[in-house]
Amino acid sequence: DQQVKQNSPSLSVQEGRISILNCDYTNSMFDYFLWYKKYPAEGPTFLISISSIKDKNEDGRFTVFLNKSAKHLSLHIVPSQPGDSAVYFCAASGVNAGGTSYGKLTFGQGTILTVHP
Amino acid sequence: DVKVTQSSRYLVKRTGEKVFLECVQDMDHENMFWYRQDPGLGLRLIYFSYDVKMKEKGDIPEGYSVSREKKERFSLILESASTNQTSMYLCASSFVGRTNEKLFFGSGTQLSVL
Repeated sequence: DQQVKQNSPSLSVQEGRISILNCDYTNSMFDYFLWYKKYPAEGPTFLISISSIKDKNEDGRFTVFLNKSAKHLSLHIVPSQPGDSAVYFCAASGVNAGGTSYGKLTFGQGTILTVHP
Repeated sequence: DVKVTQSSRYLVKRTGEKVFLECVQDMDHENMFWYRQDPGLGLRLIYFSYDVKMKEKGDIPEGYSVSREKKERFSLILESASTNQTSMYLCASSFVGRTNEKLFFGSGTQLSVL
């Protein structure tokens, strides 16, 4: 039961163009969403997040959009750079039936982004 | 900077061995987590702990146990290693509180069970 899905295993873009990575979720209790970037042989590092009370959050070249009705979020990278080549994971968190979070994240399968010079 | 340190980058073990993966964080975080990463499956939560001596099962706890005797240290134990436990294991930590649920990850341990 994959509650967070990234349906594109890979994405290839040209340097300077926009990269759009997509993520869908099924659990309506999720209310906080994050994107992580992972280079080979390193742990994932936090990139950007968004709360369900917002529909957009921007940080430099990175923007995350949230469509709650569609249970869909996307990460836009503009302009894309070769150093952005990595695996990108979407993650989500929410409270359990008792109203507790514990901070655990549910991750998607990841999308391998390759940015060509 | 937050530092999460995993004791080994690479481990090779035999089927049936008991395996210990150690993780230490230096930011006084209450929450600690063990995930495994497999191609096409993403990161899956094995166990987590929200306080010393407290532990909760994640999504795939079978074949694993954990220990948290001190706040900064969280150990993952494979009681009897099997080949399907060959994977990248990632430890993470975070503060309590819903205002910031960002996880900080270690560099990972690539475990091969032969």
